Amino acid sequence: DTGVSQDPRHKITKRGQNVTFRCDPISEHNRLYWYRQTLGQGPEFLTYFQNEAQLEKSRLLSDRFSAERPKGSFSTLEIQRTEQGDSAMYLCASSLSLGQGSYEQYFGPGTRLTVT
Amino acid sequence: AQSVTQLDSQVPVFEEAPVELRCNYSSSVSVYLFWYVQYPNQGLQLLLKYLSGSTLVKGINGFEAEFNKSQTSFHLRKPSVHISDTAEYFCAVRSQGGSEKLVFGKGTKLTVNP
Repeated sequence: DTGVSQDPRHKITKRGQNVTFRCDPISEHNRLYWYRQTLGQGPEFLTYFQNEAQLEKSRLLSDRFSAERPKGSFSTLEIQRTEQGDSAMYLCASSLSLGQGSYEQYFGPGTRLTVT
Repeated sequence: AQSVTQLDSQVPVFEEAPVELRCNYSSSVSVYLFWYVQYPNQGLQLLLKYLSGSTLVKGINGFEAEFNKSQTSFHLRKPSVHISDTAEYFCAVRSQGGSEKLVFGKGTKLTVNP
């Protein structure tokens, strides 16, 4: 069990550029979550998947944001036309759901995005 | 909808002293409750969770928390802290059934001084 991994760990980009982040969940976990954490705040939910199906999206996820989990394994989060307000830590988590929901979400180390 | 209030943004304590980090929540439905810890430049690690049953739950690293339904609280305690407990602590809730998203508080920065 190697835990949840995220790549890259840090990304600096200029305003208006597109960025893509990757998350690899714990191998047997079927649920995958994305959160955003800004300085001095707790994480805020963005979206989650069960296998390849995107089950819920937050209103925070504007049309510039898109997330995919094409084969039910790793996931990508893309931000188009980045804005300075997108600067944050993007956290990925995974969990195992056995039909009655899941309880423990395991978090990765995060990707810190800085938009200049 | 749920919300979480962590009443103290910063808590400084001396090593070997007891500590309590306060958490209150609001929800129109029954919830599960969690405490996570975040060390600098790292992700979140689960300390403990309340799902059902005994209202006193024990977690890792000597932490425990008590669920109080009437006061909608889930305070985190440790009888004797170490320097290594210095970190940010987040309380979170999740509805029972329905959405699995975690709703977090703003966090409490615990600083343990020698």
